[in-house]
Amino acid sequence: GQNIDQPTEMTATEGAIVQINCTYQTSGFNGLFWYQQHAGEAPTFLSYNVLDGLEEKGRFSSFLSRSKGYSYLLLKELQMKDSASYLCAVRDNDGSGGSYIPTFGRGTSLIVHP
Amino acid sequence: DGGITQSPKYLFRKEGQNVTLSCEQNLNHDAMYWYRQDPGQGLRLIYYSQIVNDFQKGDIAEGYSVSREKKESFPLTVTSAQKNPTAFYLCASRLDSYSYNEQFFGPGTRLTVL
Repeated sequence: GQNIDQPTEMTATEGAIVQINCTYQTSGFNGLFWYQQHAGEAPTFLSYNVLDGLEEKGRFSSFLSRSKGYSYLLLKELQMKDSASYLCAVRDNDGSGGSYIPTFGRGTSLIVHP
Repeated sequence: DGGITQSPKYLFRKEGQNVTLSCEQNLNHDAMYWYRQDPGQGLRLIYYSQIVNDFQKGDIAEGYSVSREKKESFPLTVTSAQKNPTAFYLCASRLDSYSYNEQFFGPGTRLTVL
């Protein structure tokens, strides 16, 4: 299994940049996902990292360091609509019969102020 | 349009009654999942199914039951044995269990037991 840690809440200003960190401990790492979830809605996929480095997708980027058990999600040019919960999910090799199901962290609630 | 549907969006039940939550997908995905989300807890896995006619317990299966008689359907029954059933329930699907591909989530059902 995994132990996944994210900050509970963060605040930022519209137009700014924010970095949401995720640290994890796992016996056999096999990928890390970031999801966005608006209140009362379904999580939606943002990014996937399995190798070290930065993956960029428009205003959102995700970074992974496997040796440090660390990832971050970087949001640039923040907009009010970015106010949401951001979930980090880690998949390990065991997959209980090959299921490879990610384990989710508790999520970081991001509040963007005008 | 392909996607996952859950119904109903809001559900109220009296304590002691069993209730079944619907989850349907037309994405032709093999794997399906049920999660429970409580405030501050993130997503916790209840049951999952890698293929039709097969399902496995997740981390918090007690008081729940599922079936997978058709590829597109994975209903969840919350039984009277579940001690604290009030929660937001999310269904998800994935193309298969083995490759990196992300999970797609339904809109969720908010269950309140009175």
